[in-house]
Amino acid sequence: GAGVSQTPSNKVTEKGKYVELRCDPISGHTALYWYRQSLGQGPEFLIYFQGTGAADDSGLPNDRFFAVRPEGSVSTLKIQRTERGDSAVYLCASSLVISGANVLTFGAGSRLTVL
Amino acid sequence: SQQGEEDPQALSIQEGENATMNCSYKTSINNLQWYRQNSGRGLVHLILIRSNEREKHSGRLRVTLDTSKKSSSLLITASRAADTASYFCATPPYNTDKLIFGTGTRLQVFP
Repeated sequence: GAGVSQTPSNKVTEKGKYVELRCDPISGHTALYWYRQSLGQGPEFLIYFQGTGAADDSGLPNDRFFAVRPEGSVSTLKIQRTERGDSAVYLCASSLVISGANVLTFGAGSRLTVL
Repeated sequence: SQQGEEDPQALSIQEGENATMNCSYKTSINNLQWYRQNSGRGLVHLILIRSNEREKHSGRLRVTLDTSKKSSSLLITASRAADTASYFCATPPYNTDKLIFGTGTRLQVFP
């Protein structure tokens, strides 16, 4: 597609529920990143994929968070037993290598509110 | 964890003035990037500077990099109200492809 698409744009859930957030990257971008951003803060790295495999998942805060990218394109971030502290905007980005560096194109984000 | 920190945290200027924001980072890097975020939207890539470059220009943007001080600055010349946004520096820790973002500078340009 023309840009990175994230769905849903807004999700309100209750504490303890399971949530899935979807990211559809730019066609042909092999790398895909997930970040979390709280109000007034910079994006916090969660995980990134190179193709189908998670190249670095060091930012996932605990084992309630999991992400997959089974066919090397669309990715899903899964959060189990949600907590109020999980409320944030979850940003997805895909990347193109420019001058030997990964330059990220971001989606508009999925705003998660846990009540 | 945050790799970089920007300062100031917030900056208010009049249209036509220049805006300078600074970024400090912690580890060796291959490149440093600046991104912009309008309120409630995703981030947009502005400019990339490699570790062997000291200065780079793109339109009204000028970026400098001092690897000995582990710092970078972003200068926006002749600012416009439309430049109102948050600006973030981002770096990949050495030999990694993940980008770690700083805390951001919120720029407000008054018409």
